[in-house]
Amino acid sequence: RKEVEQDPGPFNVPEGATVAFNCTYSNSASQSFFWYRQDCRKEPKLLMSVYSSGNEDGRFTAQLNRASQYISLLIRDSKLSDSATYLCVVNMMEYGNKLVFGAGTILRVKS
Amino acid sequence: DTAVSQTPKYLVTQMGNDKSIKCEQNLGHDTMYWYKQDSKKFLKIMFSYNNKELIINETVPNRFSPKSPDKAHLNLHINSLELGDSAVYFCASSRFRDRRLNTEAFFGQGTRLTVV
Repeated sequence: RKEVEQDPGPFNVPEGATVAFNCTYSNSASQSFFWYRQDCRKEPKLLMSVYSSGNEDGRFTAQLNRASQYISLLIRDSKLSDSATYLCVVNMMEYGNKLVFGAGTILRVKS
Repeated sequence: DTAVSQTPKYLVTQMGNDKSIKCEQNLGHDTMYWYKQDSKKFLKIMFSYNNKELIINETVPNRFSPKSPDKAHLNLHINSLELGDSAVYFCASSRFRDRRLNTEAFFGQGTRLTVV
């Protein structure tokens, strides 16, 4: 089983749509979780951290389910500029850093 | 000011050559990483250093040798380059996690290595 698994997509959605991405991780001791965004030929950039209580940043909502070892990202009111690859990232170490990336989910928002 | 900078941005070289990629961060972070992103776009961790000490070495061939002269720098030297080494190499840095902090990583712009 891969350490971090994501549906690669692509997800093709119209502007204004709501889209959700899921991610599962293998190590139950993992403590830190993130969503990153990567545009074509660019470096990954932090979109948001994922907290146990769930968190929201504008149109973006992240959820964590520790029992199921599952992370989600919800994007509401999609914009053309949201088109990118979304990477689920898990710190596999309880103490220290080993940031493992999922393979990424491609989102294409169309007008 | 660029937080994590790596040079060069592009590197084209012949098989069998030796090359180095340099990385510097000005964020005051303790931990630095090298990641490889292959043609399938999968980002795979190669090495992690904390305060100049190697923490993670993910079954990378011995031809790859990281060097950390201080905690703000992590360079990557590659010997006897092979065609399969062609990829984008990203340097990143983060704070060291101590169970309480959420330690997101910040990435450099990447070095696109092409071996011909």
